[in-house]
Amino acid sequence: DSGVTQTPKHLITATGQRVTLRCSPRSGDLSVYWYQQSLDQGLQFLIHYYNGEERAKGNILERFSAQQFPDLHSELNLSSLELGDSALYFCASSLQSRGRDGYTFGSGTRLTVV
Amino acid sequence: AQKVTQAQTEISVVEKEDVTLDCVYETRDTTYYLFWYKQPPSGELVFLIRRNSFDEQNEISGRYSWNFQKSTSSFNFTITASQVVDSAVYFCALSEAGDAGNMLTFGGGTRLMVKP
Repeated sequence: DSGVTQTPKHLITATGQRVTLRCSPRSGDLSVYWYQQSLDQGLQFLIHYYNGEERAKGNILERFSAQQFPDLHSELNLSSLELGDSALYFCASSLQSRGRDGYTFGSGTRLTVV
Repeated sequence: AQKVTQAQTEISVVEKEDVTLDCVYETRDTTYYLFWYKQPPSGELVFLIRRNSFDEQNEISGRYSWNFQKSTSSFNFTITASQVVDSAVYFCALSEAGDAGNMLTFGGGTRLMVKP
């Protein structure tokens, strides 16, 4: 157990729907990062939050949004889902906002859009 | 912009063979961090090693060893006496310490298949 908790583990939904993925970071970690792993794009950075504030955005679609709450858990909201959004979504956490202390990944949420 | 290239998309070896996974990176920062992660068939990302740009010492951990060479911008990973349980996708990744250091940039991964 890495200490980073992602729920749900699996999600199957229809096109056009909206889903929310949840991430609880490792105890003490202030940063949460979201990554998408798809067959054609590989592992891609989506967004980074540090202590409730957005710090960096990567290749995140406008249909996707995220936030980090005061208790430091984070949610990734995916709306108007398309077949191409099917992927494994990872959350990672770290103590600081840089890479020097490493990143701990959750086990991922596998999203299937049908 | 940072970039990580893993030229080997798939490697197949027979158990007990040694295998080296290549990783080449690009960055303009002088301070950066390099990582290797393992993704077994179950899907999770397992941390293997983190190395900062100022530490060029090679590292050995059991059957695993890493060769970091700044001169060639490479951070290669060798598994000695491979085992079937080593079968997985291995990712090399880079994080810069500067303004872009908020994220990991991953290579495309190398799928290692170890046959009995």
